[in-house]
Amino acid sequence: AQSVAQPEDQVNVAEGNPLTVKCTYSVSGNPYLFWYVQYPNRGLQFLLKYITGDNLVKGSYGFEAEFNKSQTSFHLKKPSALVSDSALYFCAVRDHGNNRLAFGKGNQVVVIP
Amino acid sequence: GAVVSQHPSRVICKSGTSVKIECRSLDFQATTMFWYRQFPKKSLMLMATSNEGSKATYEQGVEKDKFLINHASLTLSTLTVTSAHPEDSSFYICSARGGSYQETQYFGPGTRLLVL
Repeated sequence: AQSVAQPEDQVNVAEGNPLTVKCTYSVSGNPYLFWYVQYPNRGLQFLLKYITGDNLVKGSYGFEAEFNKSQTSFHLKKPSALVSDSALYFCAVRDHGNNRLAFGKGNQVVVIP
Repeated sequence: GAVVSQHPSRVICKSGTSVKIECRSLDFQATTMFWYRQFPKKSLMLMATSNEGSKATYEQGVEKDKFLINHASLTLSTLTVTSAHPEDSSFYICSARGGSYQETQYFGPGTRLLVL
C-alpha cells in the first residue's frame, strides 16, 4: 500500500519568509515523489519530482524539496515566499511498480503581505 | 511541454441529461489517462484509469455504467456522465502520462459540472 501524510491543514507565512510544507510517505518499494500546486478552480500544476539521484530537487518558481529516506519525508521549501504562492499544495507518491498516485489531503498555503 | 487540455471548463445541465468531458494531451502520447473527482477543499479521488485501446479500470465504488470512459486514441480520453443528478455536481480533473513523460502525471485544468 502507498500513502501520503500532509499533517497541516493550513500553513500561514509572511511574505518574504521561508515557506515549508511538510510531507511524509509510505510505500513498499522505492518511491517516486511529486509536488503539485492548485490554484482556485484550476487543475494541478506540476512543481517538482524525485525519482532517483540527488536528494535535493529543484523545481518551478523557486521551489525545492528534499528526499529523506530515513525519515520517509519529502518536504517542500521555498526560501522567500510570495503572495502569489498562496494556493493548495499536494504531495503525491507512487512506487515503481504502481500505476496510480497516492495523494495527500493537501495543504492550503496563505502568504500574508 | 506536457500540456493537457480539458473541454468544457464549465458545464451546467439539467438532471437526467448526459454530459461528455474531453481530455486531450496536446504535445505527447498519453498511454495512460486518469480521471479524478474533487470535492470542495478536498483531495482528489481517483475514479478510473485507462490505457489507450483498453477498457478503463474503475476504482471501488465508482459506477462504470454511470461514468463512461473512453480512451480511443493516444491523445484523447472522454468521460461521459450519464443521466446526471445533482449529486454528480463536482470538479472533474483528468490527468495523463506517457511518451516522453512516462514518470510524471500532468493534469488538465478541470471541468466544473453543475447539475440542476
